Amino acid sequence: DAGVIQSPRHEVTEMGQEVTLRCKPISGHNSLFWYRQTMMRGLELLIYFNNNVPIDDSGMPEDRFSAKMPNASFSTLKIQPSEPRDSAVYFCASSSGQIEAFFGQGTRLTVV
Amino acid sequence: GENVEQHPSTLSVQEGDSAVIKCTYSDSASNYFPWYKQELGKGPQLIIDIRSNVGEKKDQRIAVTLNKTAKHFSLHITETQPEDSAVYFCAATGEAGTALIFGKGTTLSVSS
Repeated sequence: DAGVIQSPRHEVTEMGQEVTLRCKPISGHNSLFWYRQTMMRGLELLIYFNNNVPIDDSGMPEDRFSAKMPNASFSTLKIQPSEPRDSAVYFCASSSGQIEAFFGQGTRLTVV
Repeated sequence: GENVEQHPSTLSVQEGDSAVIKCTYSDSASNYFPWYKQELGKGPQLIIDIRSNVGEKKDQRIAVTLNKTAKHFSLHITETQPEDSAVYFCAATGEAGTALIFGKGTTLSVSS
Protein backbone atom coordinates (compact mmCIF):
# COMPACT_ATOMS: atom_id res chain seq x y z
CA ASP A 1 0.00 0.00 0.00
CA ALA A 2 1.28 3.49 -0.83
CA GLY A 3 0.13 4.90 2.48
CA VAL A 4 -1.87 8.08 2.90
CA ILE A 5 -1.43 10.28 -0.14
CA GLN A 6 -1.78 14.05 0.05
CA SER A 7 -1.66 16.58 -2.74
CA PRO A 8 -0.24 18.99 -3.45
CA ARG A 9 2.94 18.72 -1.35
CA HIS A 10 3.46 22.46 -1.52
CA GLU A 11 1.01 25.25 -2.26
CA VAL A 12 1.73 28.95 -2.49
CA THR A 13 -1.26 31.19 -3.00
CA GLU A 14 -2.25 34.80 -2.67
CA MET A 15 -4.43 36.05 0.12
CA GLY A 16 -8.10 35.83 -0.79
CA GLN A 17 -7.70 32.85 -3.12
CA GLU A 18 -9.41 29.52 -2.63
CA VAL A 19 -7.19 26.60 -1.65
CA THR A 20 -8.11 22.92 -1.87
CA LEU A 21 -6.05 20.22 -0.21
CA ARG A 22 -6.60 16.60 -1.12
CA CYS A 23 -6.19 13.31 0.68
CA LYS A 24 -6.45 9.66 -0.29
CA PRO A 25 -6.55 7.46 2.82
CA ILE A 26 -5.20 3.94 3.07
CA SER A 27 -7.58 1.50 1.41
CA GLY A 28 -9.87 -0.15 3.95
CA HIS A 29 -9.41 2.51 6.61
CA ASN A 30 -12.71 3.92 7.86
CA SER A 31 -11.52 6.95 9.84
CA LEU A 32 -9.91 10.04 8.35
CA PHE A 33 -8.42 12.98 10.22
CA TRP A 34 -7.23 16.45 9.18
CA TYR A 35 -4.57 18.13 11.33
CA ARG A 36 -2.80 21.47 11.04
CA GLN A 37 0.77 21.88 12.28
CA THR A 38 2.38 25.20 13.23
CA MET A 39 5.34 26.04 15.43
CA MET A 40 3.16 27.90 17.90
CA ARG A 41 0.25 25.48 18.21
CA GLY A 42 1.74 22.11 17.32
CA LEU A 43 -0.55 19.47 15.77
CA GLU A 44 -4.14 20.64 15.98
CA LEU A 45 -7.08 18.42 15.06
CA LEU A 46 -9.32 20.22 12.59
CA ILE A 47 -11.97 17.61 11.74
CA TYR A 48 -12.39 13.86 11.48
CA PHE A 49 -14.68 11.47 9.64
CA ASN A 50 -15.86 7.95 10.42
CA ASN A 51 -17.28 6.01 7.48
CA ASN A 52 -17.30 9.25 5.43
CA VAL A 53 -19.44 11.08 8.03
CA PRO A 54 -18.01 14.13 9.81
CA ILE A 55 -17.93 13.36 13.54
CA ASP A 56 -16.22 16.34 15.13
CA ASP A 57 -15.44 19.61 13.35
CA SER A 58 -14.97 21.70 16.48
CA GLY A 59 -11.34 22.24 15.56
CA MET A 60 -12.14 23.98 12.28
CA PRO A 61 -10.97 27.54 12.98
CA GLU A 62 -13.73 29.42 11.19
CA ASP A 63 -16.29 29.30 8.42
CA ARG A 64 -13.59 29.85 5.83
CA PHE A 65 -12.60 26.21 6.36
CA SER A 66 -14.66 23.31 5.07
CA ALA A 67 -13.99 19.60 4.60
CA LYS A 68 -15.74 16.89 2.66
CA MET A 69 -15.41 13.15 2.24
CA PRO A 70 -17.59 12.15 -0.72
CA ASN A 71 -16.41 8.52 -0.62
CA ALA A 72 -14.13 6.21 1.32
CA SER A 73 -11.09 6.95 -0.84
CA PHE A 74 -11.06 10.75 -1.03
CA SER A 75 -11.31 13.82 1.15
CA THR A 76 -10.77 17.53 0.63
CA LEU A 77 -10.03 20.44 2.93
CA LYS A 78 -10.94 23.80 1.43
CA ILE A 79 -10.04 27.29 2.61
CA GLN A 80 -11.97 30.15 1.05
CA PRO A 81 -10.82 32.89 1.20
CA SER A 82 -7.30 32.10 2.38
CA GLU A 83 -5.38 34.40 4.73
CA PRO A 84 -1.66 34.60 5.65
CA ARG A 85 -2.38 33.17 9.11
CA ASP A 86 -3.57 29.97 7.43
CA SER A 87 0.03 29.24 6.44
CA ALA A 88 0.94 25.90 8.00
CA VAL A 89 1.53 22.25 7.19
CA TYR A 90 -1.73 20.36 6.84
CA PHE A 91 -1.71 16.62 7.50
CA CYS A 92 -4.24 13.99 6.67
CA ALA A 93 -4.24 10.70 8.60
CA SER A 94 -6.32 7.54 8.43
CA SER A 95 -6.96 4.56 10.66
CA SER A 96 -8.86 1.29 10.52
CA GLY A 97 -10.52 1.60 13.89
CA GLN A 98 -7.61 -0.04 15.68
CA ILE A 99 -6.69 3.49 16.78
CA GLU A 100 -3.20 3.69 15.22
CA ALA A 101 -3.30 6.59 12.78
CA PHE A 102 -1.09 6.67 9.68
CA PHE A 103 -0.11 10.11 8.45
CA GLY A 104 0.49 11.43 4.97
CA GLN A 105 3.52 13.53 4.06
CA GLY A 106 1.58 16.75 4.52
CA THR A 107 0.84 19.82 2.40
CA ARG A 108 2.88 22.92 3.15
CA LEU A 109 0.60 25.89 2.54
CA THR A 110 1.96 29.41 2.21
CA VAL A 111 -0.46 32.28 1.83
CA VAL A 112 1.19 35.55 0.77
CA GLY B 1 -12.30 17.39 25.77
CA GLU B 2 -8.85 15.89 26.06
CA ASN B 3 -5.81 18.12 26.70
CA VAL B 4 -2.25 16.77 26.48
CA GLU B 5 0.74 18.58 27.94
CA GLN B 6 4.27 17.57 26.91
CA HIS B 7 7.67 18.42 28.43
CA PRO B 8 10.33 19.39 27.70
CA SER B 9 9.89 21.26 24.42
CA THR B 10 13.56 20.75 23.55
CA LEU B 11 16.05 18.16 24.75
CA SER B 12 19.73 17.87 23.92
CA VAL B 13 21.74 14.79 24.85
CA GLN B 14 25.07 13.23 24.03
CA GLU B 15 25.15 10.06 21.98
CA GLY B 16 24.77 7.07 24.28
CA ASP B 17 22.87 8.96 26.95
CA SER B 18 19.21 8.34 27.80
CA ALA B 19 16.36 10.71 26.94
CA VAL B 20 13.05 11.00 28.76
CA ILE B 21 9.97 12.86 27.55
CA LYS B 22 6.93 13.26 29.76
CA CYS B 23 3.26 13.88 29.03
CA THR B 24 0.13 14.42 31.09
CA TYR B 25 -3.46 14.11 29.93
CA SER B 26 -6.73 15.39 31.30
CA ASP B 27 -9.46 12.95 30.23
CA SER B 28 -9.63 9.93 32.52
CA ALA B 29 -11.56 8.09 29.78
CA SER B 30 -8.51 8.06 27.49
CA ASN B 31 -7.12 4.56 27.13
CA TYR B 32 -4.66 4.64 24.24
CA PHE B 33 -1.35 6.52 24.31
CA PRO B 34 0.87 6.46 21.23
CA TRP B 35 4.18 8.15 20.56
CA TYR B 36 5.06 9.51 17.16
CA LYS B 37 8.40 10.53 15.67
CA GLN B 38 8.52 13.23 13.02
CA GLU B 39 11.57 13.75 10.85
CA LEU B 40 12.11 16.91 8.85
CA GLY B 41 9.72 17.22 5.92
CA LYS B 42 7.80 14.08 6.79
CA GLY B 43 4.59 13.16 8.52
CA PRO B 44 4.57 11.78 12.07
CA GLN B 45 5.23 8.05 12.32
CA LEU B 46 4.17 5.75 15.15
CA ILE B 47 7.11 4.35 17.10
CA ILE B 48 5.43 2.78 20.14
CA ASP B 49 2.10 2.82 21.92
CA ILE B 50 0.59 1.69 25.19
CA ARG B 51 -2.93 0.91 26.27
CA SER B 52 -4.45 1.59 29.65
CA ASN B 53 -4.38 -2.02 30.80
CA VAL B 54 -0.57 -2.04 30.64
CA GLY B 55 1.86 -0.11 32.83
CA GLU B 56 4.99 -0.45 30.75
CA LYS B 57 6.00 -1.54 27.27
CA LYS B 58 9.43 -1.90 25.74
CA ASP B 59 10.70 -2.23 22.17
CA GLN B 60 14.47 -2.46 21.90
CA ARG B 61 15.86 0.94 22.94
CA ILE B 62 12.53 2.63 23.53
CA ALA B 63 10.07 2.12 26.36
CA VAL B 64 6.88 3.76 27.53
CA THR B 65 5.41 3.89 31.01
CA LEU B 66 1.88 4.80 32.00
CA ASN B 67 0.50 5.92 35.34
CA LYS B 68 -3.29 6.08 34.95
CA THR B 69 -3.85 7.29 38.49
CA ALA B 70 -1.65 10.31 37.96
CA LYS B 71 -2.65 10.61 34.29
CA HIS B 72 0.85 10.77 32.96
CA PHE B 73 2.98 8.71 30.59
CA SER B 74 6.59 8.87 29.51
CA LEU B 75 8.86 7.88 26.64
CA HIS B 76 12.32 6.58 27.46
CA ILE B 77 15.04 6.22 24.83
CA THR B 78 18.25 4.51 25.93
CA GLU B 79 21.62 4.52 24.20
CA THR B 80 20.61 7.42 22.01
CA GLN B 81 22.02 7.70 18.51
CA PRO B 82 22.23 10.69 16.12
CA GLU B 83 19.44 9.19 14.03
CA ASP B 84 17.13 9.52 17.04
CA SER B 85 17.23 13.30 16.47
CA ALA B 86 13.69 14.33 15.54
CA VAL B 87 10.51 15.79 16.97
CA TYR B 88 8.59 13.42 19.24
CA PHE B 89 4.88 13.74 19.95
CA CYS B 90 2.79 12.05 22.58
CA ALA B 91 -0.95 11.65 22.08
CA ALA B 92 -4.02 10.32 23.83
CA THR B 93 -7.42 9.11 22.78
CA GLY B 94 -10.36 7.01 23.90
CA GLU B 95 -12.32 4.60 21.80
CA ALA B 96 -11.31 3.34 18.38
CA GLY B 97 -12.38 5.80 15.71
CA THR B 98 -11.94 8.85 17.91
CA ALA B 99 -9.21 11.34 17.14
CA LEU B 100 -5.77 11.51 18.68
CA ILE B 101 -5.05 14.66 20.66
CA PHE B 102 -1.36 15.53 20.52
CA GLY B 103 1.09 17.23 22.83
CA LYS B 104 3.07 20.13 21.37
CA GLY B 105 6.14 18.03 20.68
CA THR B 106 9.72 17.66 21.92
CA THR B 107 12.67 18.40 19.66
CA LEU B 108 15.35 15.87 20.54
CA SER B 109 18.91 16.55 19.44
CA VAL B 110 21.52 13.82 19.86
CA SER B 111 25.08 15.00 19.34
CA SER B 112 27.96 12.65 18.63
